[in-house]
Amino acid sequence: NAGVMQNPRHLVRRRGQEARLRCSPMKGHSHVYWYRQLPEEGLKFMVYLQKENIIDESGMPKERFSAEFPKEGPSILRIQQVVRGDSAAYFCASSPLDRMDSPLHFGNGTRLTVT
Amino acid sequence: AQTVTQSQPEMSVQEAETVTLSCTYDTSENNYYLFWYKQPPSRQMILVIRQEAYKQQNATENRFSVNFQKAAKSFSLKISDSQLGDTAMYFCAFMKRASGTYKYIFGTGTRLKVLA
Repeated sequence: NAGVMQNPRHLVRRRGQEARLRCSPMKGHSHVYWYRQLPEEGLKFMVYLQKENIIDESGMPKERFSAEFPKEGPSILRIQQVVRGDSAAYFCASSPLDRMDSPLHFGNGTRLTVT
Repeated sequence: AQTVTQSQPEMSVQEAETVTLSCTYDTSENNYYLFWYKQPPSRQMILVIRQEAYKQQNATENRFSVNFQKAAKSFSLKISDSQLGDTAMYFCAFMKRASGTYKYIFGTGTRLKVLA
């Protein structure tokens, strides 16, 4: 039973380029969350998605950032025109439906470096 | 708004000793869950222990136990017989469900170093 899969593990982009981060949730999980972790800081909520729906994007910057979770395929976090301040570790987590007592299962994260 | 506070940025403990990491939270909700996650240098987030707010009994998982004080909104983690592999960042997290959405809020973490 594979866990939450994130790729790539490391991503280097120059300023102005686009970054695409992928997340495949655990089998049977239909809730996906994206978090950002800046160096020496905790996890900050960005967005919560279910299949084909964005449920809560209150933590995501209004510009340049977007997320999707299509009916087929992984969830994608997309950052357009990256800037140095976007350098961080981005974590995806998933949980099953209707299990409030089920904790988040995290992927290993994608470390984005903007040069 | 819910907040989670971890007031100890760094702690250290001798191997085989006991250490307690503190966490307080602020909420007006009555039904929620609390979690402790561990993040070793590998960066993976690993669930350590969880507590349901309506349960009086403190959760225990092997060497890990919590002291849950609902009235004080405190949720500390006790690690007994500390091992070198316990060296990691520890995050306290609060979760509730509202209007069909799950809300998880994390603290800023405590960096624990276990000394040989």
